[in-house]
Amino acid sequence: AQSVTQLGSHVSVSEGALVLLRCNYSSSVPPYLFWYVQYPNQGLQLLLKYTSAATLVKGINGFEAEFKKSETSFHLTKPSAHMSDAAEYFCAVSDTNPSSASKIIFGSGTRLSIRP
Amino acid sequence: DAGVTQSPTHLIKTRGQQVTLRCSPKSGHDTVSWYQQALGQGPQFIFQYYEEEERQRGNFPDRFSGHQFPNYSSELNVNALLLGDSALYLCASSVSAGYTFGSGTRLTVV
Repeated sequence: AQSVTQLGSHVSVSEGALVLLRCNYSSSVPPYLFWYVQYPNQGLQLLLKYTSAATLVKGINGFEAEFKKSETSFHLTKPSAHMSDAAEYFCAVSDTNPSSASKIIFGSGTRLSIRP
Repeated sequence: DAGVTQSPTHLIKTRGQQVTLRCSPKSGHDTVSWYQQALGQGPQFIFQYYEEEERQRGNFPDRFSGHQFPNYSSELNVNALLLGDSALYLCASSVSAGYTFGSGTRLTVV
């Protein structure tokens, strides 16, 4: 069975500081990995996805994530935090390219707060 | 181009009642998936519909059922509501390009 574990339910950083949100996955097959962001009272927006191409994946809003198979990790980073980055972030895994046939398994989420 | 549309946005029901939530997929998307997101948790997969058939199902009781119409829109029905069914219900539509999520329906069971 596939799963993801997000380390830290709440992360707080200062504006302009590095953002690092941690995610470890478990999968018996090569995984597809995702990071989603959820703003209050909204649905989920895809930040980026790993689909077995480049291990360093660049997403929207300056975020990127690196797939490390040896560490079973897919941590999300952003060099400089903005106040607008405050939101809930979810790491997720799927066993197939989530086209029309697969489900996505989500982590429990990490709430990112930005200090002025 | 409208994305995924869900209705209603908020709903309050009493224990034991039945509820129907609706989802209109993004144009060109033929598959609809439903997720339940309890407060402070990640979304949990309920089921997925394709060509008007339930194709995959998560670990949810039979009280949760669904339907997909010929125009690809979908309904989620929950019978005999429990307090624990209070959650944000998210619909996601997809085609080969991947999922698009709606903003959800916030269901409160009292």
